[in-house]
Amino acid sequence: GDSVTQTEGPVTLSEGTSLTVNCSYETKQYPTLFWYVQYPGEGPQLLFKVPKANEKGSSRGFEATYNKEATSFHLQKASVQESDSAVYYCALSEGMGYKLTFGTGTSLLVDP
Amino acid sequence: EAAVTQSPRNKVAVTGGKVTLSCNQTNNHNNMYWYRQDTGHGLRLIHYSYGAGSTEKGDIPDGYKASRPSQENFSLILELATPSQTSVYFCASGGHYEQYFGPGTRLTVL
Repeated sequence: GDSVTQTEGPVTLSEGTSLTVNCSYETKQYPTLFWYVQYPGEGPQLLFKVPKANEKGSSRGFEATYNKEATSFHLQKASVQESDSAVYYCALSEGMGYKLTFGTGTSLLVDP
Repeated sequence: EAAVTQSPRNKVAVTGGKVTLSCNQTNNHNNMYWYRQDTGHGLRLIHYSYGAGSTEKGDIPDGYKASRPSQENFSLILELATPSQTSVYFCASGGHYEQYFGPGTRLTVL
């Protein structure tokens, strides 16, 4: 079946530093890739999705490029803020997009 | 505003007891999902539904049943709760590609 592997946390950064969360995946088909974010006390919410290979998704200063050859979809942000403290999930969906396979999540704590 | 609500938000149950977790959505989405969230495992799919009257097994269905009596409501049922089912449970609704999650239910089985 499908699988998603991402950076193990927790990750602790100082405000203004850069973030990279690695995500790699295995699937037999052509997936749509996602990053979800979960703030404390809330359910996960979509950060952005990228349906096509070699395209980039972005939102709120975060971005990721769908690298089909490397089967990777790393999340990056140039300068993190304290408000970015959350858990970040990489996920994929095949076919019609009705089912998601999530990674294990990466907890990010940003110190002010 | 899309909305998925869950009840109860917190539940303490005894081993061997029956637990029902409820979910309601006002998004008019056909698809609904139940996940559990555990440290080291992320979000894992328990059951899902394509519409009223349908339920499908997800990746970890053992020990759980689901019921979808209407478009809006989707329940997760633990007939004989065990301590290993202590977790945070999330309901979600969705169409193509995007899922909207509820706030979660924290279940503790003693």
